[in-house]
Amino acid sequence: ELKVEQNPLFLSMQEGKNYTIYCNYSTTSDRLYWYRQDPGKSLESLFVLLSNGAVKQEGRLMASLDTKARLSTLHITAAVHDLSATYFCAVESNTGTASKLTFGTGTRLQVTL
Amino acid sequence: EAQVTQNPRYLITVTGKKLTVTCSQNMNHEYMSWYRQDPGLGLRQIYYSMNVEVTDKGDVPEGYKVSRKEKRNFPLILESPSPNQTSLYFCASSFLSRLTNTRQGNEQFFGPGTRLTVL
Repeated sequence: ELKVEQNPLFLSMQEGKNYTIYCNYSTTSDRLYWYRQDPGKSLESLFVLLSNGAVKQEGRLMASLDTKARLSTLHITAAVHDLSATYFCAVESNTGTASKLTFGTGTRLQVTL
Repeated sequence: EAQVTQNPRYLITVTGKKLTVTCSQNMNHEYMSWYRQDPGLGLRQIYYSMNVEVTDKGDVPEGYKVSRKEKRNFPLILESPSPNQTSLYFCASSFLSRLTNTRQGNEQFFGPGTRLTVL
């Protein structure tokens, strides 16, 4: 059974600081997704990582995937308050003809002034 | 606009009263899925469907039913709701084929959510 672990679960950081969220998973996969969720809202897709070594950047966020280490990181550069949200990673696995996403428990990010 | 819609957005009901949460997508996606989100547990898959008339259980299917009579719709049915089904529910959809989606993978698009309270 695929297990996906994120850490930290909660992160409070000051504006302007850098930090990294980690997503570890337990079985082989080369597809991983990052989502953002604002309080009371739906999940918004941030990054799609489809191969080993994939790196995607959007604004102050950068995501990477190391399939050998079964690890993805979401790096935050010079955080701003607008980045406050919960971030989920989701790992794709294939069971026959179906693909399935298994989500981590999320990292709640709070950026303080 | 490409989107996944859910109705209702909020629902308070009582134990045992059958209810249906509708989900519809306009992106011609083959794959649709229902999740529930509970504090500290992330999102857990309830049921999924790979295409019309093809559905299967996810990780937490007990107490739920689904149907897929049309490609765009995937309703979630609670025949006899109980308080432990109080949760935030999300419907999601995506393309299915691993071979034809090398650019975007099977990125799932989520509906706005339905907050259900069972008293």
